[in-house]
Amino acid sequence: AQRVTQPEKLLSVFKGAPVELKCNYSYSGSPELFWYVQYSRQRLQLLLRHISRESIKGFTADLNKGETSFHLKKPFAQEEDSAMYYCALSSSGGSYIPTFGRGTSLIVHP
Amino acid sequence: KAGVTQTPRYLIKTRGQQVTLSCSPISGHRSVSWYQQTPGQGLQFLFEYFSETQRNKGNFPGRFSGRQFSNSRSEMNVSTLELGDSALYLCASSLEWANEKLFFGSGTQLSVL
Repeated sequence: AQRVTQPEKLLSVFKGAPVELKCNYSYSGSPELFWYVQYSRQRLQLLLRHISRESIKGFTADLNKGETSFHLKKPFAQEEDSAMYYCALSSSGGSYIPTFGRGTSLIVHP
Repeated sequence: KAGVTQTPRYLIKTRGQQVTLSCSPISGHRSVSWYQQTPGQGLQFLFEYFSETQRNKGNFPGRFSGRQFSNSRSEMNVSTLELGDSALYLCASSLEWANEKLFFGSGTQLSVL
């Protein structure tokens, strides 16, 4: 069965500090992994996908198949990064059964 | 381009009733997927529709059903409502596949009394 674990419900940092939001997954096949973000009073939106290998708003995430992790990182947190972050996994191909983590609330203090 | 529109924003129903939620995807998007979000279970996938056909389904009872129309608009129906169905129901659309970039609606907050 697919499973996504975000071990931290809340992560609190100061502006300028590095941020790492953890995501571990369990999946027997070849997964597709995503990070979604929800800013206050806004809709849930895609932040990045592992296959894109891009950096969005300074965030990056590397898929580590050995450790089954997809941690989200940013070297210098900004106050506007404060939001709820969800890690998600889906099977590849046409069978799309996504599994979301419970989310991590990131608070960046000034 | 207008975003994903969900109606209504709020619903209050009583146990045993049924409810229909509506989702209008972004123009040109053909895949519509539905999710249930609760504090206890988090965000869970209900089903996905493409070209008026249910393409994928999550692990929810048959009381939860949906359909998609030829213009890609989708509806979700929950019959015989239970207290545990109280949740935020989110709809998302994408061009072809639900594991592409998803665009989410604001959701419908359903309260079952």
